[in-house]
Amino acid sequence: DAKTTQPNSMESNEEEPVHLPCNHSTISGTDYIHWYRQLPSQGPEYVIHGLTSNVNNRMASLAIAEDRKSSTLILHRATLRDAAVYYCILRDGGSNYKLTFGKGTLLTVNP
Amino acid sequence: DAGVIQSPRHEVTEMGQEVTLRCKPISGHDYLFWYRQTMMRGLELLIYFNNNVPIDDSGMPEDRFSAKMPNASFSTLKIQPSEPRDSAVYFCASSLGRAPQYFGPGTRLTVL
Repeated sequence: DAKTTQPNSMESNEEEPVHLPCNHSTISGTDYIHWYRQLPSQGPEYVIHGLTSNVNNRMASLAIAEDRKSSTLILHRATLRDAAVYYCILRDGGSNYKLTFGKGTLLTVNP
Repeated sequence: DAGVIQSPRHEVTEMGQEVTLRCKPISGHDYLFWYRQTMMRGLELLIYFNNNVPIDDSGMPEDRFSAKMPNASFSTLKIQPSEPRDSAVYFCASSLGRAPQYFGPGTRLTVL
């Protein structure tokens, strides 16, 4: 599986935007970029995914670099409820249905 | 929709005992995944099924672990005999094809 690199932790203030970076320099042409998050004492939760173009949904935005070697998850207005571990995962668009979780980024949101 | 349902939520057992974890996927989903999470190893995929058939069990740690999916609405993960190093949170997830996976709340297993 292609590897992703994320900062171990980040801090943000409530109601401010948060940009969570992810590097994936060995990404292949068929790899989709997925983001999941895990709130304390809960199972992981899907956030967003994309292939080449930037994506928006009700939870977040995903900005993908033109060379696809990095991406950024954007939370437009952080709330205390967004405090979680955020995982950036590459998943092959072919027959591989696996999600391989790394260590992720622990996001702390200050009131 | 009730989401993915797992039972029990907590299990405490003694070394050597058999443990059975249960999962009910979201209705209509055709993929089911079992994961294990520990502080040391993070979240690991153990096995996944498609239409009740095991597709990839390469993550199953050893023969003490087995998983079954007798029908589309039920799966079990069994550990026999259990060991203290099996202590972890076990998550079940389901998806419809390549759509995002939905995770259950997990079962926290403690083996004494």
